[in-house]
Amino acid sequence: DARVTQTPRHKVTEMGQEVTMRCQPILGHNTVFWYRQTMMQGLELLAYFRNRAPLDDSGMPKDRFSAEMPDATLATLKIQPSEPRDSAVYFCASGFEVNTEAFFGQGTRLTVV
Amino acid sequence: GENVEQHPSTLSVQEGDSAVIKCTYSDSASNYFPWYKQELGKGPQLIIDIRSNVGEKKDQRIAVTLNKTAKHFSLHITETQPEDSAVYFCAASKGSGGYQKVTFGIGTKLQVIP
Repeated sequence: DARVTQTPRHKVTEMGQEVTMRCQPILGHNTVFWYRQTMMQGLELLAYFRNRAPLDDSGMPKDRFSAEMPDATLATLKIQPSEPRDSAVYFCASGFEVNTEAFFGQGTRLTVV
Repeated sequence: GENVEQHPSTLSVQEGDSAVIKCTYSDSASNYFPWYKQELGKGPQLIIDIRSNVGEKKDQRIAVTLNKTAKHFSLHITETQPEDSAVYFCAASKGSGGYQKVTFGIGTKLQVIP
């Protein structure tokens, strides 16, 4: 069945290292979202793509985070350099057009030590 | 920007009782209001949604109401079951012309006691 696939599921890294998280959206979906989930802040939108074009990255720390969609089957979120405060669960979600159901992946649990 | 407030943060009910979660939003331009359920270790999953031109929607034991004038919407779960235990998120979305802005509430942890 169709699902959003995120890799890796878990990542432990040292402060200062580069982290790359990958997402394969559901085939045919044209919107992709990256969210960060923490206990304190809940679900925060980091980036939003439509038809592979970045339309909103206002929630993303620009100095260390970057999000791209090299092609329709792959979205990436990079953190360089990583910091302990980046520890969180990062979710990718995809959907078909605006204001419709977003299908979430299982998430990547990132721990920066 | 949009601000979504959700309460209560935790809710315990006896199996078979009803559960109600309430959300308020600030941006009158928001026009789509989904509710997501998140089980431990999984991503959120849509359980019901409502659009701004509808006041109420029901799907079996789940219902959502929307009051645009007061800018609040609520989730109602009747005849709760232990498998309803999870974290529930409301969201307010403003979408037009291909652009979408989604803001989530902080979440409600629902515990259904057998």
